[in-house]
Amino acid sequence: GENVEQHPSTLSVQEGDSAVIKCTYSDSASNYFPWYKQELGKRPQLIIDIRSNVGEKKDQRIAVTLNKTAKHFSLHITETQPEDSAVYFCAASGPGGYQKVTFGTGTKLQVIP
Amino acid sequence: ETGVTQTPRHLVMGMTNKKSLKCEQHLGHNAMYWYKQSAKKPLELMFVYSLEERVENNSVPSRFSPECPNSSHLFLHLHTLQPEDSALYLCASSQGNSNEQFFGPGTRLTVL
Repeated sequence: GENVEQHPSTLSVQEGDSAVIKCTYSDSASNYFPWYKQELGKRPQLIIDIRSNVGEKKDQRIAVTLNKTAKHFSLHITETQPEDSAVYFCAASGPGGYQKVTFGTGTKLQVIP
Repeated sequence: ETGVTQTPRHLVMGMTNKKSLKCEQHLGHNAMYWYKQSAKKPLELMFVYSLEERVENNSVPSRFSPECPNSSHLFLHLHTLQPEDSALYLCASSQGNSNEQFFGPGTRLTVL
Protein backbone atom coordinates (compact mmCIF):
# COMPACT_ATOMS: atom_id res chain seq x y z
CA GLY A 1 0.00 0.00 0.00
CA GLU A 2 0.85 3.66 -0.09
CA ASN A 3 3.29 5.12 2.41
CA VAL A 4 3.55 8.87 2.98
CA GLU A 5 6.38 10.42 4.95
CA GLN A 6 6.28 14.03 6.11
CA HIS A 7 9.01 16.31 7.44
CA PRO A 8 9.61 18.15 9.66
CA SER A 9 7.32 17.14 12.50
CA THR A 10 7.59 20.60 14.05
CA LEU A 11 8.51 23.93 12.51
CA SER A 12 8.89 27.35 14.10
CA VAL A 13 9.25 30.46 11.97
CA GLN A 14 9.18 34.18 12.60
CA GLU A 15 6.17 36.04 11.34
CA GLY A 16 6.78 37.12 7.77
CA ASP A 17 9.22 34.33 7.00
CA SER A 18 8.50 31.40 4.72
CA ALA A 19 7.70 27.85 5.77
CA VAL A 20 8.28 24.69 3.76
CA ILE A 21 6.91 21.24 4.53
CA LYS A 22 8.00 18.22 2.51
CA CYS A 23 6.38 14.87 1.83
CA THR A 24 7.32 11.74 -0.07
CA TYR A 25 5.08 8.96 -1.30
CA SER A 26 5.73 5.43 -2.46
CA ASP A 27 2.95 4.43 -4.86
CA SER A 28 3.50 5.71 -8.38
CA ALA A 29 -0.24 5.22 -9.06
CA SER A 30 -1.14 8.02 -6.63
CA ASN A 31 -2.42 10.98 -8.59
CA TYR A 32 -3.95 13.38 -6.12
CA PHE A 33 -2.09 15.18 -3.33
CA PRO A 34 -4.10 17.33 -0.93
CA TRP A 35 -2.88 19.37 2.00
CA TYR A 36 -5.05 19.80 5.06
CA LYS A 37 -4.76 22.31 7.87
CA GLN A 38 -5.98 21.41 11.34
CA GLU A 39 -6.18 24.15 13.93
CA LEU A 40 -6.18 23.19 17.58
CA GLY A 41 -9.43 21.50 18.50
CA LYS A 42 -10.86 21.80 15.01
CA ARG A 43 -11.43 19.52 12.05
CA PRO A 44 -8.95 19.16 9.17
CA GLN A 45 -9.74 21.42 6.23
CA LEU A 46 -8.39 21.32 2.72
CA ILE A 47 -6.17 24.29 1.92
CA ILE A 48 -4.70 23.33 -1.43
CA ASP A 49 -4.34 20.28 -3.62
CA ILE A 50 -2.45 19.23 -6.72
CA ARG A 51 -2.96 16.52 -9.30
CA SER A 52 -0.27 14.48 -10.96
CA ASN A 53 -0.59 16.24 -14.30
CA VAL A 54 0.48 19.55 -12.74
CA GLY A 55 3.90 20.49 -11.36
CA GLU A 56 2.98 23.53 -9.31
CA LYS A 57 -0.10 25.28 -8.01
CA LYS A 58 -0.42 28.55 -6.15
CA ASP A 59 -3.17 30.17 -4.14
CA GLN A 60 -2.20 33.54 -2.67
CA ARG A 61 0.45 32.85 0.00
CA ILE A 62 0.28 29.08 -0.38
CA ALA A 63 1.91 27.00 -3.10
CA VAL A 64 2.43 23.31 -3.66
CA THR A 65 4.99 21.66 -5.92
CA LEU A 66 5.05 18.09 -7.16
CA ASN A 67 7.95 16.05 -8.51
CA LYS A 68 6.47 12.82 -9.86
CA THR A 69 9.82 11.34 -10.79
CA ALA A 70 11.18 11.70 -7.28
CA LYS A 71 7.77 11.06 -5.72
CA HIS A 72 7.83 14.08 -3.49
CA PHE A 73 5.70 17.15 -3.02
CA SER A 74 6.03 20.23 -0.87
CA LEU A 75 3.92 22.95 0.70
CA HIS A 76 5.26 26.48 0.70
CA ILE A 77 3.75 29.24 2.82
CA THR A 78 5.12 32.73 2.28
CA GLU A 79 4.76 35.80 4.51
CA THR A 80 3.60 33.65 7.39
CA GLN A 81 1.11 35.05 9.87
CA PRO A 82 0.20 33.91 13.41
CA GLU A 83 -3.07 32.49 12.10
CA ASP A 84 -1.05 30.07 9.98
CA SER A 85 -0.10 28.26 13.21
CA ALA A 86 -1.66 24.79 12.99
CA VAL A 87 -0.89 21.19 12.13
CA TYR A 88 -0.54 20.56 8.41
CA PHE A 89 -1.08 17.14 6.86
CA CYS A 90 -0.07 16.03 3.42
CA ALA A 91 -1.80 13.10 1.78
CA ALA A 92 -1.73 10.93 -1.30
CA SER A 93 -4.63 9.28 -3.06
CA GLY A 94 -5.07 7.04 -6.08
CA PRO A 95 -7.66 6.95 -8.84
CA GLY A 96 -11.13 5.62 -8.20
CA GLY A 97 -14.70 6.52 -7.46
CA TYR A 98 -13.81 7.15 -3.85
CA GLN A 99 -10.59 8.05 -2.13
CA LYS A 100 -8.30 5.73 -0.28
CA VAL A 101 -6.25 8.51 1.23
CA THR A 102 -2.99 7.96 3.06
CA PHE A 103 -1.97 10.82 5.31
CA GLY A 104 1.44 11.95 6.48
CA THR A 105 2.19 12.25 10.18
CA GLY A 106 1.64 15.98 10.27
CA THR A 107 3.77 19.09 10.82
CA LYS A 108 3.05 21.40 13.70
CA LEU A 109 3.78 24.90 12.45
CA GLN A 110 4.26 27.71 14.94
CA VAL A 111 4.49 31.26 13.66
CA ILE A 112 6.13 33.50 16.22
CA PRO A 113 4.87 37.10 16.22
CA GLU B 1 -20.04 24.54 8.98
CA THR B 2 -18.77 22.03 6.45
CA GLY B 3 -22.04 20.15 6.30
CA VAL B 4 -20.73 17.10 8.16
CA THR B 5 -21.91 16.63 11.72
CA GLN B 6 -20.93 14.08 14.34
CA THR B 7 -22.49 13.07 17.64
CA PRO B 8 -21.60 12.81 20.38
CA ARG B 9 -18.68 15.21 20.47
CA HIS B 10 -17.25 13.58 23.58
CA LEU B 11 -17.70 10.05 24.89
CA VAL B 12 -16.30 8.27 27.91
CA MET B 13 -16.96 4.56 28.10
CA GLY B 14 -15.85 1.53 30.00
CA MET B 15 -14.29 -1.48 28.36
CA THR B 16 -17.50 -3.49 28.64
CA ASN B 17 -19.84 -0.82 27.29
CA LYS B 18 -21.50 -0.70 23.89
CA LYS B 19 -21.88 2.69 22.23
CA SER B 20 -22.33 4.12 18.77
CA LEU B 21 -20.90 7.14 17.00
CA LYS B 22 -23.05 8.90 14.44
CA CYS B 23 -22.10 10.92 11.38
CA GLU B 24 -24.41 12.79 9.05
CA GLN B 25 -23.53 14.66 5.88
CA HIS B 26 -25.74 17.25 4.23
CA LEU B 27 -23.63 17.71 1.10
CA GLY B 28 -25.13 15.10 -1.19
CA HIS B 29 -21.88 13.14 -1.28
CA ASN B 30 -21.74 9.46 -2.17
CA ALA B 31 -18.71 8.33 -0.18
CA MET B 32 -18.19 8.41 3.59
CA TYR B 33 -15.17 7.61 5.70
CA TRP B 34 -14.16 6.85 9.28
CA TYR B 35 -10.72 7.92 10.47
CA LYS B 36 -8.92 7.48 13.78
CA GLN B 37 -6.65 10.30 14.93
CA SER B 38 -4.29 9.51 17.81
CA ALA B 39 -1.62 11.71 19.28
CA LYS B 40 1.61 11.72 17.29
CA LYS B 41 0.18 9.41 14.62
CA PRO B 42 -1.13 10.12 11.15
CA LEU B 43 -4.80 10.06 10.40
CA GLU B 44 -5.64 6.36 10.01
CA LEU B 45 -8.29 5.41 7.51
CA MET B 46 -10.59 2.81 9.09
CA PHE B 47 -13.52 2.30 6.73
CA VAL B 48 -14.80 3.64 3.43
CA TYR B 49 -18.34 3.41 2.15
CA SER B 50 -19.04 4.21 -1.48
CA LEU B 51 -22.67 4.26 -2.59
CA GLU B 52 -23.55 2.70 0.76
CA GLU B 53 -21.32 -0.32 0.22
CA ARG B 54 -18.23 -0.90 2.31
CA VAL B 55 -15.27 -0.77 -0.04
CA GLU B 56 -12.38 -0.52 2.38
CA ASN B 57 -11.70 -2.08 5.74
CA ASN B 58 -8.16 -1.35 6.79
CA SER B 59 -7.55 -4.28 9.12
CA VAL B 60 -9.68 -2.74 11.81
CA PRO B 61 -10.43 -4.95 14.85
CA SER B 62 -13.92 -6.41 14.95
CA ARG B 63 -14.75 -4.45 18.10
CA PHE B 64 -15.37 -1.59 15.63
CA SER B 65 -18.40 -2.21 13.44
CA PRO B 66 -19.48 0.33 10.81
CA GLU B 67 -22.95 0.77 9.39
CA CYS B 68 -24.12 2.91 6.49
CA PRO B 69 -27.92 2.76 6.22
CA ASN B 70 -28.06 5.42 3.50
CA SER B 71 -25.80 7.86 1.71
CA SER B 72 -26.25 10.56 4.36
CA HIS B 73 -25.62 8.57 7.53
CA LEU B 74 -22.71 6.59 8.87
CA PHE B 75 -22.37 4.88 12.21
CA LEU B 76 -19.52 3.31 14.10
CA HIS B 77 -20.65 0.76 16.66
CA LEU B 78 -18.24 0.18 19.50
CA HIS B 79 -18.06 -2.77 21.90
CA THR B 80 -15.50 -4.14 24.33
CA LEU B 81 -12.99 -1.45 23.45
CA GLN B 82 -9.50 -1.16 24.87
CA PRO B 83 -7.84 1.90 26.46
CA GLU B 84 -5.59 2.21 23.38
CA ASP B 85 -8.71 2.87 21.32
CA SER B 86 -8.98 6.25 22.97
CA ALA B 87 -8.64 8.80 20.19
CA LEU B 88 -10.44 11.37 18.07
CA TYR B 89 -12.71 9.64 15.57
CA LEU B 90 -13.33 11.70 12.47
CA CYS B 91 -15.97 11.17 9.84
CA ALA B 92 -15.56 12.58 6.34
CA SER B 93 -17.44 12.58 3.07
CA SER B 94 -16.61 13.21 -0.57
CA GLN B 95 -18.26 13.17 -3.92
CA GLY B 96 -16.93 10.22 -5.88
CA ASN B 97 -15.38 12.01 -8.81
CA SER B 98 -14.24 14.99 -6.79
CA ASN B 99 -11.44 14.46 -4.39
CA GLU B 100 -11.84 16.94 -1.54
CA GLN B 101 -12.87 15.32 1.71
CA PHE B 102 -15.03 17.26 4.11
CA PHE B 103 -14.46 16.34 7.73
CA GLY B 104 -16.81 16.40 10.65
CA PRO B 105 -15.76 17.89 14.00
CA GLY B 106 -14.92 14.48 15.44
CA THR B 107 -15.85 12.49 18.52
CA ARG B 108 -13.29 12.52 21.32
CA LEU B 109 -13.45 8.98 22.73
CA THR B 110 -11.96 7.97 26.05
CA VAL B 111 -11.96 4.31 27.05
CA LEU B 112 -11.44 3.68 30.74
